[in-house]
Amino acid sequence: EDQVTQSPEALRLQEGESSSLNCSYTVSGLRGLFWYRQDPGKGPEFLFTLYSAGEEKEKERLKATLTKKESFLHITAPKPEDSATYLCAVQARGTSYGKLTFGQGTILTVHP
Amino acid sequence: EAGVAQSPRYKIIEKRQSVAFWCNPISGHATLYWYQQILGQGPKLLIQFQNNGVVDDSQLPKDRFSAERLKGVDSTLKIQPAKLEDSAVYLCASSLAHSYEQYFGPGTRLTVT
Repeated sequence: EDQVTQSPEALRLQEGESSSLNCSYTVSGLRGLFWYRQDPGKGPEFLFTLYSAGEEKEKERLKATLTKKESFLHITAPKPEDSATYLCAVQARGTSYGKLTFGQGTILTVHP
Repeated sequence: EAGVAQSPRYKIIEKRQSVAFWCNPISGHATLYWYQQILGQGPKLLIQFQNNGVVDDSQLPKDRFSAERLKGVDSTLKIQPAKLEDSAVYLCASSLAHSYEQYFGPGTRLTVT
């Protein structure tokens, strides 16, 4: 069974204090790993897709990296508007195209 | 471009009652998904449609949940009868056929008392 575990469950940072979120996964053949951002009362918003170990993607203050067992979401010099829940999801080979298994998320709070 | 629309946004019902949620995907998106997100957890896929056909419903509790996508556009998810453990946010998402990027609606928050 595909599993995704995110840590920490919650992270509090001061504005400008860089950190990383972790996503560990167990899947029978990875088709893709996805990062989403979810604000309170809203649906998840797509951030990145990573396909193979060693791949990196960047968007503003966020950088996602992928190894064979985990992914990291690095946040550089965060701002209060980066506060949200960050969700990691995997899509396994052999499953229906688009079927995602999500982790429980990391709640990020950035204080000014 | 309009996003994924869902209604209602909130619903409170008593256990054993029935409820229905509606979703209108982004125009041109062939694939539509329904997810259940329990508080403190990530979304769990309930059912996936490609046009008006079901691709995956392996995690749909078929004794009480049903979904349809008539004419390959709008979709309705129904729960009958509801249980306390069905309290959750029900998210609808859509994507282009064979695309990884899913666009989510705002969700419907269901409370079963």
